[in-house]
Amino acid sequence: DAKTTQPPSMDCAEGRAANLPCNHSTISGNEYVYWYRQIHSQGPQYIIHGLKNNETNEMASLIITEDRKSSTLILPHATLRDTAVYYCIVRALNTGGFKTIFGAGTRLFVKA
Amino acid sequence: EAGVAQSPRYKIIEKRQSVAFWCNPISGHATLYWYQQILGQGPKLLIQFQNNGVVDDSQLPKDRFSAERLKGVDSTLKIQPAKLEDSAVYLCASSPTPSGGPNTGELFFGEGSRLTVL
Repeated sequence: DAKTTQPPSMDCAEGRAANLPCNHSTISGNEYVYWYRQIHSQGPQYIIHGLKNNETNEMASLIITEDRKSSTLILPHATLRDTAVYYCIVRALNTGGFKTIFGAGTRLFVKA
Repeated sequence: EAGVAQSPRYKIIEKRQSVAFWCNPISGHATLYWYQQILGQGPKLLIQFQNNGVVDDSQLPKDRFSAERLKGVDSTLKIQPAKLEDSAVYLCASSPTPSGGPNTGELFFGEGSRLTVL
């Protein structure tokens, strides 16, 4: 079973920041937080991951709370192409527990 | 770099018929995964290969599903006989190692094969 809880859907206005929350209250010390997204009729695509520090790349920013029990994926300037299902996943890296288990995700609608 | 290739993209069959899906992972990726994604749900891991050996097939319905990766490169997933509830998208993914891609641990997914069972 997925170890994360996400809202089923969210709306965002084009050009505004999209903030997608994720709860992972049972996360273990060696587990990372991963985000993938799935655009309609495509396979999931990796976005970003982090352990405890905030992370930023060309696609998004990841904010992880100090207690690591929740995180937020931020798309700074959402476009219509960002409409997709976003999956928050926790998994270990290099120490066992490699499984990437998906929950139902959050369906983000970016509106013009 | 070529991505994960899957075929066919779409398949429609009647229940009790058989079907096979093919996946060619990214060159050099030792780990290959098959996921099943039912409409409205997240992908569910069916089986994971490391080279030509099975690492995890705990979620594979072995009475009707089978998968092989004989030469440690491409893979085939078969369903025989198909049931209505097998209607789904079958996603193949690959990664260089069991822990995923270098530095990121990511999995690389194909576009999937959509199965409709009537």
